[in-house]
Amino acid sequence: DAGVIQSPRHEVTEMGQEVTLRCKPISGHDYLFWYRQTMMRGLELLIYFNNNVPIDDSGMPEDRFSAKMPNASFSTLKIQPSEPRDSAVYFCASSLWGADTQYFGPGTRLTVL
Amino acid sequence: KNEVEQSPQNLTAQEGEFITINCSYSVGISALHWLQQHPGGGIVSLFMLSSGKKKHGRLIATINIQEKHSSLHITASHPRDSAVYICAVAGADGLTFGKGTHLIIQP
Repeated sequence: DAGVIQSPRHEVTEMGQEVTLRCKPISGHDYLFWYRQTMMRGLELLIYFNNNVPIDDSGMPEDRFSAKMPNASFSTLKIQPSEPRDSAVYFCASSLWGADTQYFGPGTRLTVL
Repeated sequence: KNEVEQSPQNLTAQEGEFITINCSYSVGISALHWLQQHPGGGIVSLFMLSSGKKKHGRLIATINIQEKHSSLHITASHPRDSAVYICAVAGADGLTFGKGTHLIIQP
């Protein structure tokens, strides 16, 4: 398996623009997680899905953030409108079950100017 | 909310030394993860444990549920072990991460 795939790897955008980050989990994994990492706050769980259904989105910082998982092989994290404080590395991870080992994607480095 | 504390924050050691990184948390958990983040940014899950001890190669992870404490040990450390090691706990409020321990192994 190719592992967890994220795109784009780097994104530079201007404040106010919509940003969409994409993730393809490992085939057969039932859980998908979105994380954000910044120097100030470290790693934070934003949201996770089980069988394509959002289970816990309490980590989503505000209404500008939304995540979807239309099928078992694809998820998106959208920021609209983006702000400079959203600049971070966003990781996607998947696992077979909730408390199992998570496999991380390479991350998307987002810079909002 | 669970509070996760890692120590030390930074550690520099010589190749071959035995390394210990500690993680303490404040509220009962269902599982604890140890992650390794390479200098290039990639994250690898090393261990997921809920009790006892696990070993993989030169890495050993232990957890004491009563003490709310876990340790990650590296035997015969090597420069390629240089990375940030992150502890994460899975509890009622989801996954909470420590700030990480930045480990440098000098040849």
